[in-house]
Amino acid sequence: QVQMEESGGGMAKPGGSLRLSCVVSGFALSDYSMSWVRQAPGKGLEWISYLSSSGGAIYHAASVKGRFTISRDNAKNSLFLQMDNLRVEDTAVYFCARDYGGDSWYPEFWGQGTLVAVAS
Amino acid sequence: DIVLTQSPATLSLSPGERATLSCRASHSISNHLAWFQQRPGLAPRLLIYDASHRATGIPARFSGSGSGTDFTLTISSLEPEDFAVYYCQQRGNWPLTFGGGTKVEIK
Repeated sequence: QVQMEESGGGMAKPGGSLRLSCVVSGFALSDYSMSWVRQAPGKGLEWISYLSSSGGAIYHAASVKGRFTISRDNAKNSLFLQMDNLRVEDTAVYFCARDYGGDSWYPEFWGQGTLVAVAS
Repeated sequence: DIVLTQSPATLSLSPGERATLSCRASHSISNHLAWFQQRPGLAPRLLIYDASHRATGIPARFSGSGSGTDFTLTISSLEPEDFAVYYCQQRGNWPLTFGGGTKVEIK
Protein backbone atom coordinates (compact mmCIF):
# COMPACT_ATOMS: atom_id res chain seq x y z
CA GLN A 1 0.00 0.00 0.00
CA VAL A 2 1.43 3.34 -1.08
CA GLN A 3 1.73 5.89 1.70
CA MET A 4 3.39 9.30 1.71
CA GLU A 5 3.65 11.72 4.60
CA GLU A 6 5.11 15.21 4.51
CA SER A 7 6.61 17.04 7.46
CA GLY A 8 8.76 20.06 8.17
CA GLY A 9 6.28 22.80 7.43
CA GLY A 10 5.70 25.71 9.75
CA MET A 11 6.30 29.41 10.07
CA ALA A 12 9.36 31.18 8.73
CA LYS A 13 10.45 34.77 8.22
CA PRO A 14 11.26 36.22 4.81
CA GLY A 15 14.81 35.22 3.93
CA GLY A 16 14.64 32.19 6.20
CA SER A 17 14.89 28.48 5.43
CA LEU A 18 12.85 25.32 5.90
CA ARG A 19 13.46 21.71 4.90
CA LEU A 20 10.44 19.63 3.97
CA SER A 21 10.53 15.84 4.14
CA CYS A 22 8.27 13.26 2.56
CA VAL A 23 8.59 9.74 3.94
CA VAL A 24 7.19 7.07 1.65
CA SER A 25 6.29 3.41 1.98
CA GLY A 26 4.92 0.75 -0.31
CA PHE A 27 7.34 1.52 -3.16
CA ALA A 28 10.97 2.40 -3.84
CA LEU A 29 11.91 6.00 -4.65
CA SER A 30 14.36 4.70 -7.24
CA ASP A 31 11.45 3.30 -9.26
CA TYR A 32 9.37 6.45 -9.59
CA SER A 33 9.72 10.11 -10.40
CA MET A 34 8.69 12.42 -7.58
CA SER A 35 7.51 15.99 -7.42
CA TRP A 36 6.67 18.80 -5.07
CA VAL A 37 3.49 20.74 -5.86
CA ARG A 38 2.20 23.66 -3.84
CA GLN A 39 -1.13 25.39 -3.36
CA ALA A 40 -1.38 28.89 -1.96
CA PRO A 41 -4.41 29.52 0.29
CA GLY A 42 -7.57 29.56 -1.81
CA LYS A 43 -5.59 29.25 -5.04
CA GLY A 44 -4.77 26.63 -7.66
CA LEU A 45 -1.94 24.13 -8.00
CA GLU A 46 1.64 25.02 -8.91
CA TRP A 47 4.29 22.43 -9.84
CA ILE A 48 7.60 23.51 -8.36
CA SER A 49 10.12 20.66 -8.38
CA TYR A 50 10.64 17.32 -10.10
CA LEU A 51 13.16 14.50 -9.63
CA SER A 52 13.27 11.59 -12.07
CA SER A 53 13.40 7.96 -10.97
CA SER A 54 17.03 7.66 -12.05
CA GLY A 55 17.92 10.87 -10.27
CA GLY A 56 19.40 12.17 -13.50
CA ALA A 57 16.75 14.77 -14.26
CA ILE A 58 15.84 17.60 -11.91
CA TYR A 59 13.62 20.54 -12.75
CA HIS A 60 12.58 23.53 -10.70
CA ALA A 61 9.96 26.12 -11.60
CA ALA A 62 11.27 29.60 -12.37
CA SER A 63 9.52 30.91 -9.25
CA VAL A 64 11.77 28.82 -6.98
CA LYS A 65 14.87 28.17 -9.09
CA GLY A 66 18.05 29.02 -7.21
CA ARG A 67 16.21 29.02 -3.88
CA PHE A 68 14.66 25.53 -3.59
CA THR A 69 16.42 22.17 -4.07
CA ILE A 70 14.79 18.77 -4.44
CA SER A 71 16.68 15.67 -3.34
CA ARG A 72 16.10 12.18 -1.98
CA ASP A 73 17.63 9.49 0.22
CA ASN A 74 16.63 6.11 -1.17
CA ALA A 75 17.85 4.23 1.90
CA LYS A 76 15.64 6.35 4.15
CA ASN A 77 12.68 6.27 1.72
CA SER A 78 12.63 10.04 1.92
CA LEU A 79 12.17 12.92 -0.50
CA PHE A 80 13.27 16.40 0.53
CA LEU A 81 12.72 20.02 -0.44
CA GLN A 82 15.30 22.47 0.87
CA MET A 83 13.73 25.91 0.82
CA ASP A 84 16.08 28.88 1.21
CA ASN A 85 15.59 32.62 0.96
CA LEU A 86 11.87 32.20 1.56
CA ARG A 87 9.44 34.87 0.39
CA VAL A 88 5.95 35.78 1.55
CA GLU A 89 4.60 34.44 -1.74
CA ASP A 90 5.97 30.96 -0.90
CA THR A 91 3.18 30.60 1.66
CA ALA A 92 1.26 27.49 0.63
CA VAL A 93 0.44 23.88 1.35
CA TYR A 94 3.24 21.75 -0.09
CA PHE A 95 2.41 18.29 -1.42
CA CYS A 96 4.83 15.55 -2.38
CA ALA A 97 3.56 13.42 -5.24
CA ARG A 98 4.56 10.18 -6.95
CA ASP A 99 4.28 9.66 -10.66
CA TYR A 100 1.88 7.25 -12.27
CA GLY A 101 3.84 4.30 -13.65
CA GLY A 102 7.45 5.32 -13.29
CA ASP A 103 8.30 8.49 -15.20
CA SER A 104 4.95 9.59 -16.58
CA TRP A 105 5.01 13.20 -15.33
CA TYR A 106 1.46 12.62 -14.10
CA PRO A 107 1.30 12.61 -10.28
CA GLU A 108 -0.89 9.75 -9.08
CA PHE A 109 -0.26 9.44 -5.34
CA TRP A 110 -0.13 12.49 -3.10
CA GLY A 111 0.69 13.14 0.51
CA GLN A 112 -1.73 15.08 2.72
CA GLY A 113 0.37 18.24 2.46
CA THR A 114 2.29 20.40 4.91
CA LEU A 115 1.64 24.10 5.42
CA VAL A 116 4.43 26.63 5.04
CA ALA A 117 3.67 30.18 6.20
CA VAL A 118 6.18 32.95 5.51
CA ALA A 119 5.58 36.23 7.30
CA SER A 120 7.52 38.89 9.13
CA ASP B 1 5.40 28.18 -20.75
CA ILE B 2 2.25 26.41 -21.82
CA VAL B 3 -0.82 28.12 -20.37
CA LEU B 4 -3.90 26.02 -19.67
CA THR B 5 -7.21 27.89 -19.59
CA GLN B 6 -10.14 26.13 -17.98
CA SER B 7 -13.78 27.03 -18.51
CA PRO B 8 -16.17 27.71 -17.05
CA ALA B 9 -14.74 28.87 -13.74
CA THR B 10 -17.84 27.58 -11.97
CA LEU B 11 -20.43 25.05 -13.10
CA SER B 12 -23.70 24.88 -11.16
CA LEU B 13 -25.49 21.58 -11.67
CA SER B 14 -27.77 19.14 -9.88
CA PRO B 15 -26.97 15.53 -8.96
CA GLY B 16 -27.67 13.26 -11.92
CA GLU B 17 -26.88 15.93 -14.49
CA ARG B 18 -24.06 15.78 -17.02
CA ALA B 19 -20.98 17.96 -16.50
CA THR B 20 -18.76 19.11 -19.33
CA LEU B 21 -15.50 20.86 -18.43
CA SER B 22 -13.09 22.43 -20.91
CA CYS B 23 -9.31 22.92 -20.90
CA ARG B 24 -7.53 24.82 -23.67
CA ALA B 25 -3.74 24.84 -24.09
CA SER B 26 -1.80 27.82 -25.47
CA HIS B 27 0.24 25.47 -27.68
CA SER B 28 -0.32 21.97 -28.94
CA ILE B 29 0.46 19.31 -26.34
CA SER B 30 -0.65 16.25 -28.35
CA ASN B 31 -2.53 14.08 -25.82
CA HIS B 32 -0.26 14.91 -22.88
CA LEU B 33 -2.99 16.06 -20.54
CA ALA B 34 -4.35 14.87 -17.21
CA TRP B 35 -7.39 15.75 -15.11
CA PHE B 36 -7.52 15.91 -11.31
CA GLN B 37 -10.32 16.24 -8.77
CA GLN B 38 -9.77 18.07 -5.51
CA ARG B 39 -12.27 18.03 -2.68
CA PRO B 40 -11.97 20.64 0.12
CA GLY B 41 -9.09 19.99 2.48
CA LEU B 42 -7.81 17.01 0.52
CA ALA B 43 -4.99 16.35 -1.92
CA PRO B 44 -5.76 16.18 -5.64
CA ARG B 45 -6.80 12.85 -7.14
CA LEU B 46 -5.70 11.74 -10.61
CA LEU B 47 -8.74 10.95 -12.75
CA ILE B 48 -7.56 10.88 -16.37
CA TYR B 49 -4.12 10.73 -17.99
CA ASP B 50 -3.03 11.01 -21.63
CA ALA B 51 -6.29 12.86 -22.29
CA SER B 52 -8.60 9.86 -22.26
CA HIS B 53 -7.27 7.05 -20.04
CA ARG B 54 -8.94 6.57 -16.68
CA ALA B 55 -6.56 6.13 -13.76
CA THR B 56 -6.81 3.10 -11.51
CA GLY B 57 -10.08 2.90 -9.60
CA ILE B 58 -11.76 5.85 -11.32
CA PRO B 59 -15.46 5.26 -12.07
CA ALA B 60 -16.61 4.95 -15.68
CA ARG B 61 -18.80 8.07 -15.41
CA PHE B 62 -15.58 10.09 -15.80
CA SER B 63 -14.30 10.36 -19.36
CA GLY B 64 -11.78 12.54 -21.15
CA SER B 65 -11.31 13.51 -24.76
CA GLY B 66 -9.34 15.84 -26.99
CA SER B 67 -5.90 16.39 -28.44
CA GLY B 68 -3.73 19.25 -29.57
CA THR B 69 -5.07 22.30 -27.75
CA ASP B 70 -8.67 21.46 -26.80
CA PHE B 71 -9.65 18.95 -24.15
CA THR B 72 -12.83 17.97 -22.34
CA LEU B 73 -13.64 16.17 -19.11
CA THR B 74 -17.15 14.75 -18.96
CA ILE B 75 -18.93 13.44 -15.90
CA SER B 76 -21.92 11.56 -17.29
CA SER B 77 -24.16 11.71 -14.21
CA LEU B 78 -23.06 13.69 -11.18
CA GLU B 79 -22.89 11.89 -7.86
CA PRO B 80 -22.89 13.88 -4.58
CA GLU B 81 -19.16 13.21 -4.10
CA ASP B 82 -18.33 14.70 -7.53
CA PHE B 83 -18.97 18.27 -6.41
CA ALA B 84 -15.40 19.52 -6.19
CA VAL B 85 -12.75 21.50 -8.07
CA TYR B 86 -11.24 20.00 -11.22
CA TYR B 87 -7.82 20.84 -12.65
CA CYS B 88 -6.19 19.95 -15.92
CA GLN B 89 -2.39 19.49 -16.12
CA GLN B 90 -0.05 19.22 -19.11
CA ARG B 91 3.18 17.31 -19.46
CA GLY B 92 3.91 18.36 -23.03
CA ASN B 93 6.67 20.73 -21.98
CA TRP B 94 8.54 21.78 -18.87
CA PRO B 95 7.51 23.59 -16.79
CA LEU B 96 4.62 21.29 -16.13
CA THR B 97 1.57 23.46 -15.62
CA PHE B 98 -1.95 23.26 -14.24
CA GLY B 99 -5.06 25.07 -15.33
CA GLY B 100 -6.80 27.48 -12.98
CA GLY B 101 -9.55 25.02 -12.10
CA THR B 102 -13.30 24.59 -12.56
CA LYS B 103 -15.50 24.39 -9.51
CA VAL B 104 -18.49 22.08 -9.90
CA GLU B 105 -21.05 23.18 -7.33
CA ILE B 106 -24.51 22.01 -6.38
CA LYS B 107 -27.26 24.07 -7.98
